[in-house]
Amino acid sequence: DVKVTQSSRYLVKRTGEKVFLECVQDMDHENMFWYRQDPGLGLRLIYFSYDVKMKEKGDIPEGYSVSREKKERFSLILESASTNQTSMYLCASSLPAEGEQYFGPGTRLTVT
Amino acid sequence: GQSLEQPSEVTAVEGAIVQINCTYQTSGFYGLSWYQQHDGGAPTFLSYNALDGLEETGRFSSFLSRSDSYGYLLLQELQMKDSASYFCAVTAAGNKLTFGGGTRVLVKP
Repeated sequence: DVKVTQSSRYLVKRTGEKVFLECVQDMDHENMFWYRQDPGLGLRLIYFSYDVKMKEKGDIPEGYSVSREKKERFSLILESASTNQTSMYLCASSLPAEGEQYFGPGTRLTVT
Repeated sequence: GQSLEQPSEVTAVEGAIVQINCTYQTSGFYGLSWYQQHDGGAPTFLSYNALDGLEETGRFSSFLSRSDSYGYLLLQELQMKDSASYFCAVTAAGNKLTFGGGTRVLVKP
């Protein structure tokens, strides 16, 4: 059974803190993605990666960075958390060809 | 860039048919995907249309017209468990997705 896991379901951080969100997939997928989901806005792509040590900016990369040191792991980093980064964060993975993305359960981050 | 339009909410009764329309403006279009998301859950893949026409998978069907930049998801024989949000998404190179705002489907007994 395919699986994408995220390090936390719920996270509360203070403004200015550095935040790490971890995502691990066990399907040997090349592609990995980070989205944030806000009501009425759907899912918006923050960053994605086609391979180890490769990263590409998505539609809303400002305030975020990523790291992919191993194929199965893709980390999202908030260098200095702000209240407008309070959101649901979803990780996904897929094979290189167009088609299905597999999503993790999400991390609901609150920045106070 | 990409932009997608879909209705925000649809209500129907069990056993009915619901059609969720999606129009898009895009550059670099490879196909149109549909995802289902129950409250508190992760999005799950329903279908992917790369070519014009209708794709049927059980009670759900998806349609694409590339010339009209339009697609729809058809939910037949609605069941209570179909109450969820449904997202269309444009697929670009490298399986990069741009999502619509989502349509909340409420199924009533």
